[in-house]
Amino acid sequence: DAGVIQSPRHEVTEMGQEVTLRCKPISGHDYLFWYRQTMMRGLELLIYFNNNVPIDDSGMPEDRFSAKMPNASFSTLKIQPSEPRDSAVYFCASSLVPTRSPYEQYFGPGTRLTVT
Amino acid sequence: DAKTTQPPSMDCAEGRAANLPCNHSTISGNEYVYWYRQIHSQGPQYIIHGLKNNETNEMASLIITEDRKSSTLILPHATLRDTAVYYCIVTYTDKLIFGTGTRLQVFP
Repeated sequence: DAGVIQSPRHEVTEMGQEVTLRCKPISGHDYLFWYRQTMMRGLELLIYFNNNVPIDDSGMPEDRFSAKMPNASFSTLKIQPSEPRDSAVYFCASSLVPTRSPYEQYFGPGTRLTVT
Repeated sequence: DAKTTQPPSMDCAEGRAANLPCNHSTISGNEYVYWYRQIHSQGPQYIIHGLKNNETNEMASLIITEDRKSSTLILPHATLRDTAVYYCIVTYTDKLIFGTGTRLQVFP
């Protein structure tokens, strides 16, 4: 398997513009997670899905952020409008929850977002 | 989830064992101990996990004290490629809460 795929790898945009980040989880995985990493706040969980249904979005910073998972092989994280403080690396991760290793997540390479 | 405490940084000579400690004194009976690492600019990578018993895989060993209040991740023969931030996470839920971790620097 190719692992978790994220696109784009780098995104530079101007304040106020809409940004859409994309993630393709590992085939067969039923959990999908979105994280954000900054120097100041570290690695934060934003939202996660189970079988395409959002389970916990308590980490989503504000209404400007939204996430969808229309099917088992695709998810998006959208920021509208974007602000400079949204600049960060956004990671997507997926997992399959077997009994023995329930919390083993596989992370994608991340999308580095810069908002000017 | 139980809170974990890790030293902010450690050094290790290449070829020597790296022993990374983690304190989780408030751990509850159903919580697992997980270790992940993050090499610069990459996504975190799962290393190993345990509940009560010591565990070993091709990457590392995990030693959990009998009272489960602390654990040690052991990289038996550290290489330069093991330079990374290592996160100790204690959880029983679907969520992984990453702390600040230990920055391990392996030097030649």
